[in-house]
Amino acid sequence: DVKVTQSSRYLVKRTGEKVFLECVQDMDHENMFWYRQDPGLGLRLIYFSYDVKMKEKGDIPEGYSVSREKKERFSLILESASTNQTSMYLCASSPPGQGNEKLFFGSGTQLSVL
Amino acid sequence: GENVEQHPSTLSVQEGDSAVIKCTYSDSASNYFPWYKQELGKRPQLIIDIRSNVGEKKDQRIAVTLNKTAKHFSLHITETQPEDSAVYFCAATLSRGNNRLAFGKGNQVVVIP
Repeated sequence: DVKVTQSSRYLVKRTGEKVFLECVQDMDHENMFWYRQDPGLGLRLIYFSYDVKMKEKGDIPEGYSVSREKKERFSLILESASTNQTSMYLCASSPPGQGNEKLFFGSGTQLSVL
Repeated sequence: GENVEQHPSTLSVQEGDSAVIKCTYSDSASNYFPWYKQELGKRPQLIIDIRSNVGEKKDQRIAVTLNKTAKHFSLHITETQPEDSAVYFCAATLSRGNNRLAFGKGNQVVVIP
C-alpha cells in the first residue's frame, strides 16, 4: 500500500517566517505534487516534480518554491509566509509509466499564518 | 487552460436513493477522468476512473459515464449509505503538462439516514 507521509498535521507560523512542509513517499514514485485546498476552490496545483532535481510550476506558484533532492522527498517552501497562505496543503505522488495520472495523497498539513 | 466544473456544488439525498454528480471539461484532448472522494478530515482517495476509449465503468455501487462529444462525465452512486457522505472531486488530464490533472471545485454529498 502506498504511503505518502506529511511531516506535520497542523502548523502555526507567523507572517514573514520561512516555512518548510515536508512530504515523503515510500513507493519509489517518480512524480510528486503539492496542492493547496481551500473551501469553495477545490484543489489547486502549486508545484510538481517528475524527477530528482526537477521542478515545474503549477497553477499558483507565486510565493512558493520546492526542493526535490531525493526521489522520495518533496519539500514545499514558503519563503516569507503571509496570511493568505493559510490553507490545507496536500502532497501527492504517482507512479511512472501508464497509470501515472493516479494520485496518492498524504493526509495534509493545515497551515495557519498569523 | 483546462476548465473543469462540477454540478451541483451540494447534493443531499435520502439513504437508499441514488446520487448523480456531473462534471464538464473544456480540453477536447483530455483522455483520463478520475473521481476522488474526500471524507471529513481525511485525504482524497481515488474511487473510480475512466479513459476516453470507454463510455461507462462500474465498480459495485459506483459508476462513471463519459460523453466525449458533450465533454462531460458523471459519477453515479446507487443505494446510498451514510458512509457515502463526503466531498467528491472530478478531474481531467491536461493535453499540455504530461498528463497532470485539472480538478473541479468539489461536490459535497450528504446522505440523510
